[in-house]
Amino acid sequence: KQEVTQIPAALSVPEGENLVLNCSFTDSAIYNLQWFRQDPGKGLTSLLLIQSSQREQTSGRLNASLDKSSGRSTLYIAASQPGDSATYLCAVTPGGQNFVFGPGTRLSVLP
Amino acid sequence: ETGVTQTPRHLVMGMTNKKSLKCEQHLGHNAMYWYKQSAKKPLELMFVYNFKEQTENNSVPSRFSPECPNSSHLFLHLHTLQPEDSALYLCASSPTGQGAKNIQYFGAGTRLSVL
Repeated sequence: KQEVTQIPAALSVPEGENLVLNCSFTDSAIYNLQWFRQDPGKGLTSLLLIQSSQREQTSGRLNASLDKSSGRSTLYIAASQPGDSATYLCAVTPGGQNFVFGPGTRLSVLP
Repeated sequence: ETGVTQTPRHLVMGMTNKKSLKCEQHLGHNAMYWYKQSAKKPLELMFVYNFKEQTENNSVPSRFSPECPNSSHLFLHLHTLQPEDSALYLCASSPTGQGAKNIQYFGAGTRLSVL
């Protein structure tokens, strides 16, 4: 059974810092991996999708990498801003449509 | 705005009530999903529909009954719920059922409280 973990559970950084969020999954047989952002009481917003054949994806200040063989992905946020404060979730698609989510990392960027 | 709309945003119900959650998308997507998000637990997939047909039921209790009348609308009918069913219920849609490029778009969710 696919399991997804995220470290750290919570992170607090001063504005302007670069930071890395980690995601691990137990079964490397995946179609893709997605990173999402969730603001309090809101739904999820897709940030980046990495297909299983890809190594990384970039969007603005965000860069996500994927190492399928080791079951790991990282989300790198450059020059963090208070508006980046949210919970970040990763999810893998092990096959079919059974998306499996991690518990999330709660990020606070302090002004 | 993701293009996926959920109503109501908040719902309080007693254990003997019957209520329904509604999800609507006009993105032209063919797959729709229900998720449950409880405090301190990862997001849990409940149901998946492809072209109006249910293709996944993740061992969800029968007190939750989904309905998908067309590819744009998805309902979750609730009856005789328990307090532990209190959670944020999220709807999502995606262009196709499967594949490496299958990005999901989420609604804002319905916050359900069962008294």
